[in-house]
Amino acid sequence: NAGVTQTPKFQVLKTGQSMTLQCAQDMNHEYMSWYRQDPGMGLRLIHYSVGAGITDQGEVPNGYNVSRSTTEDFPLRLLSAAPSQTSVYFCASSSVDRSKDTQYFGPGTRLTVL
Amino acid sequence: AQSVTQPDIHITVSEGASLELRCNYSYGATPYLFWYVQSPGQGLQLLLKYFSGDTLVQGIKGFEAEFKRSQSSFNLRKPSVHWSDAAEYFCAVAGGNAGNMLTFGGGTRLMVKP
Repeated sequence: NAGVTQTPKFQVLKTGQSMTLQCAQDMNHEYMSWYRQDPGMGLRLIHYSVGAGITDQGEVPNGYNVSRSTTEDFPLRLLSAAPSQTSVYFCASSSVDRSKDTQYFGPGTRLTVL
Repeated sequence: AQSVTQPDIHITVSEGASLELRCNYSYGATPYLFWYVQSPGQGLQLLLKYFSGDTLVQGIKGFEAEFKRSQSSFNLRKPSVHWSDAAEYFCAVAGGNAGNMLTFGGGTRLMVKP
């Protein structure tokens, strides 16, 4: 079990560039989500998915797109990067079963937008 | 909307001393509450969680937390801190419209003096 994996670990972009942050999980979890972490603000939910083909917005969705074509993968797309998107991004997954309702986090992607 | 407040941004304790990290939440129904720890440059590791039942919850690494509904609090405690406990600690609540997605507090950075 690899758990939740994220690639890349580090990325530097120029303003206006696009990129996709990859996230995959091998635990057959229904729920997947993306958070960004900024100093003093904890983690904030960007987008989430409750199953393949179903996505919804979180607290800070602007500037980001997601899709969920398979249970395992949940990529996060930045269409036109801005300096305000400099952050550490975490992907997480969890079961829909409330008795197992723990989110497992990936190692994070540190993104810098110049 | 749900929210989590961690009043202490930084805390410094001596090794071997006791520790209490404060967490206050705002949520309309019975909350699902979590404490996560993040070591520098790492992802998040679950310390403990409260779903229902006994309000004193035991976690890993010798940590415990107590849910107090009347005070809307879920404080984290450890009787004797080790140098390896130096990290950032996040309290989180799950629920609401985003299912089991998490709302995090801003975090408390713990430093341990030798």
